[in-house]
This record gives sequence, C-alpha cells and structure tokens, in this order.
Amino acid sequence: DVKVTQSSRYLVKRTGEKVFLECVQDMDHENMFWYRQDPGLGLRLIYFSYDVKMKEKGDIPEGYSVSREKKERFSLILESASTNQTSMYLCASSYPRGRGDFGAGTRLSVL
Amino acid sequence: KNEVEQSPQNLTAQEGEFITINCSYSVGISALHWLQQHPGGGIVSLFMLSSGKKKHGRLIATINIQEKHSSLHITASHPRDSAVYICAAGIIQGAQKLVFGQGTRLTINP
Repeated sequence: DVKVTQSSRYLVKRTGEKVFLECVQDMDHENMFWYRQDPGLGLRLIYFSYDVKMKEKGDIPEGYSVSREKKERFSLILESASTNQTSMYLCASSYPRGRGDFGAGTRLSVL
Repeated sequence: KNEVEQSPQNLTAQEGEFITINCSYSVGISALHWLQQHPGGGIVSLFMLSSGKKKHGRLIATINIQEKHSSLHITASHPRDSAVYICAAGIIQGAQKLVFGQGTRLTINP
C-alpha cells in the first residue's frame, strides 16, 4: 500500500558533499513537492513540479536543485551540503488540486 | 502574520475528552487540508475540504469559507491520537501549493 517512498529515513553527510534525496510515487500523480520541516518554522516548500522536466521554485529554493526526468520520481539535490541544511525533508505528490500523499520523511544531518 | 494560523499550539487532555483544534487563514484557497504527523515524521492526510463538514471515524473537520476558518474535532479521544495536527491551505494557483500552519501538538493522557 506504499504510495510515496523516500529512499532514506536517516542520512548523515559532511559539509560540502553533494546529496541526493530521492522520492518515488506510484499513483501517477502530476504534482510532486519537496518540503523541509524545522522546529518553530513548520513545513516550507523548497521546490515543486507539475509535470516531467518542469520545476518551480518554492519559498526557500536557495542551496537546492531538483530533477524530474520521469513522472514517478522527483529528486532533491543539495549541491554542496551545509550545516544549515540539517532538517527533516518531506516529499509529497498529488493530482492537480488533489489531496496530497506524503512520504515518511528523511532526517538529514550535515556535520 | 502567518497566512495560516492554528490554535492552540499545544494541547494536553485526558482520554475520552472532546478535542477541538482551530485554523484560520487569510488567503484565497481551493481547499483546506488537515494532516496528522506522528513522532518519527511521517505525515498522513486526514481531510481535504472546500465546504461544509467531513467525518471519518472519530474525526470531524468543518470549514466556514466566509469566515476563513476551519476546525478539527476528535471525539472520545484516545492516547493513540497523540500527534501533531497540521492545517494547510491549498492556494489557488496553477499547481496545488500548500501553505502550512505551525501545527498543534496534541497529547492525550490515559
């Protein structure tokens, strides 16, 4: 019954490393989203995509990029990880104007 | 001021109590979402509503579009209901974007 799968639950990386967070959905949803969640700040949108090869910046895109080569997969890339990118990252997908389904989250620590 | 405000931020109650969590928003929305997040991080979508009321088991969600206000109610609360409940406004835009409230941490004591 798994719908949105994030490749890792916990990840520890070093400053300066290139980090890939992968998200796969099996519901044929057009929309996919990457959020980060921090205490006191709640969930914030990093990037989203409404179609293959399409992407749009969210509220906090700096330091991140994304890739959507296939409809079911949306990757978040940290080109050069920094300690302030330590956070919980959540992927979601939905039909246009539809109810979203979320992944279990990836807790990333950058040392 | 946040576009989506929730209250209370924290709520502790005894098992069996009736719970209400409130959400007010200041933006035009296509729908209002209620989400549940358990310790460990995973988020579950509870409701998506654009008018009236929806019910699922012991959970009830209502929305008043004119007043830009929604409530989530839990009847006969149970310790397993302990979680963070998040209200999110679906913004009227090309792709469905969500603007999130800060969340309400609910603890139900046995």
